[in-house]
Amino acid sequence: DVKVTQSSRYLVKRTGEKVFLECVQDMDHENMFWYRQDPGLGLRLIYFSYDVKMKEKGDIPEGYSVSREKKERFSLILESASTNQTSMYLCASSLFGGRARDTQYFGPGTRLTVL
Amino acid sequence: KQEVTQIPAALSVPEGENLVLNCSFTDSAIYNLQWFRQDPGKGLTSLLLIQSSQREQTSGRLNASLDKSSGRSTLYIAASQPGDSATYLCAVRPSRGSTLGRLYFGRGTQLTVWP
Repeated sequence: DVKVTQSSRYLVKRTGEKVFLECVQDMDHENMFWYRQDPGLGLRLIYFSYDVKMKEKGDIPEGYSVSREKKERFSLILESASTNQTSMYLCASSLFGGRARDTQYFGPGTRLTVL
Repeated sequence: KQEVTQIPAALSVPEGENLVLNCSFTDSAIYNLQWFRQDPGKGLTSLLLIQSSQREQTSGRLNASLDKSSGRSTLYIAASQPGDSATYLCAVRPSRGSTLGRLYFGRGTQLTVWP
């Protein structure tokens, strides 16, 4: 079974702090994704990566950066956390290109609260 | 840009009812369409994936259909149970514009099945 793990289930940070959210997958997937999920807005793509050290902006990259130094690990960085970044953050992975029957596998999510 | 809409946003039914969740998308150039389930505070779990060449997929009491030309999909749940209570999300993978497997999500239908 594919396993996607996220470093924390719950995280509380202060405004202005630098925050790291870590995601690890164990299926040798090339693609990795970071989403945030807010009530009424659904899932929105922040960044994705299709290979080590490669990244692409999603729909809402402002205020975030990412790092992919190893294939299995994709980190989301909030350089200076703000209260409007309080949200549920979800990581996912999938095969690059892939077949029509391939899906994305999701981690359990990190509930981040910025005070 | 692909847009995915789900109707209704919320649904509350008594146990045993058969029900239909609807999903529509604006661009019919898709690789596949997926239905996910999300329990409160958790990540997403893939339920059914329909490839663009398929018309429907079935898993137990769930049946998903796809009409690509009209940009619609339905998720049919037979004999609903309280354990089916969750949010159901529809997502499409475009077949043009990106080979990286990104998905476009609807905002979900929040289902409550009461005993």
